[in-house]
Amino acid sequence: GEDVEQSLFLSVREGDSSVINCTYTDSSSTYLYWYKQEPGAGLQLLTYIFSNMDMKQDQRLTVLLNKKDKHLSLRIADTQTGDSAIYFCAERAVDSSYKLIFGSGTRLLVRP
Amino acid sequence: NAGVTQTPKFQVLKTGQSMTLQCAQDMNHNSMYWYRQDPGMGLRLIYYSASEGTTDKGEVPNGYNVSRLNKREFSLRLESAAPSQTSVYFCASSERAQGQGGNTIYFGEGSWLTVV
Repeated sequence: GEDVEQSLFLSVREGDSSVINCTYTDSSSTYLYWYKQEPGAGLQLLTYIFSNMDMKQDQRLTVLLNKKDKHLSLRIADTQTGDSAIYFCAERAVDSSYKLIFGSGTRLLVRP
Repeated sequence: NAGVTQTPKFQVLKTGQSMTLQCAQDMNHNSMYWYRQDPGMGLRLIYYSASEGTTDKGEVPNGYNVSRLNKREFSLRLESAAPSQTSVYFCASSERAQGQGGNTIYFGEGSWLTVV
């Protein structure tokens, strides 16, 4: 079945780049997503990538997709303290439900 | 510009009590979802409704029921609450359209439920 895995924690210094990694199991996934959750809040869609793409850039965010290794990463350039949050990787189910399969989330801590 | 609205935001229940979480979306989306979020476990799908008039079980449906009242509203009911159902519940919706765009799923702000 589908499964998504992420490392639990990442700490970086303000101004550095952050790279959050994710692996997924279903090679037929068509869309992969990154969501951000700030404390006490819901999930906010950051970006997504279609499976026929290798890379997608959106301002400070860069998503890299390696389909062969089923590996997805999110790079945040010039990380700010406001980027401290939990980041969830998700793949879209390949059935007709369009539901998302989430990883357990990576907590990013940005140190001043 | 409400998006997905869910109520209540906070609720404390006693074991065995029942309650309903309400969810409404104003984006004319076809599909709606209920997830629960527990520490270190990400989000797990409880039930979903791919379109009005249909509902299906997700990963963790036991102890819950749902109703897709109309296209806008999708409620989640706990018939006899248990401490294991203490969690944060998220309602979500998406446009079940083909083609480009990623069929983005939009989330509500969450409902914090404690069962004592």
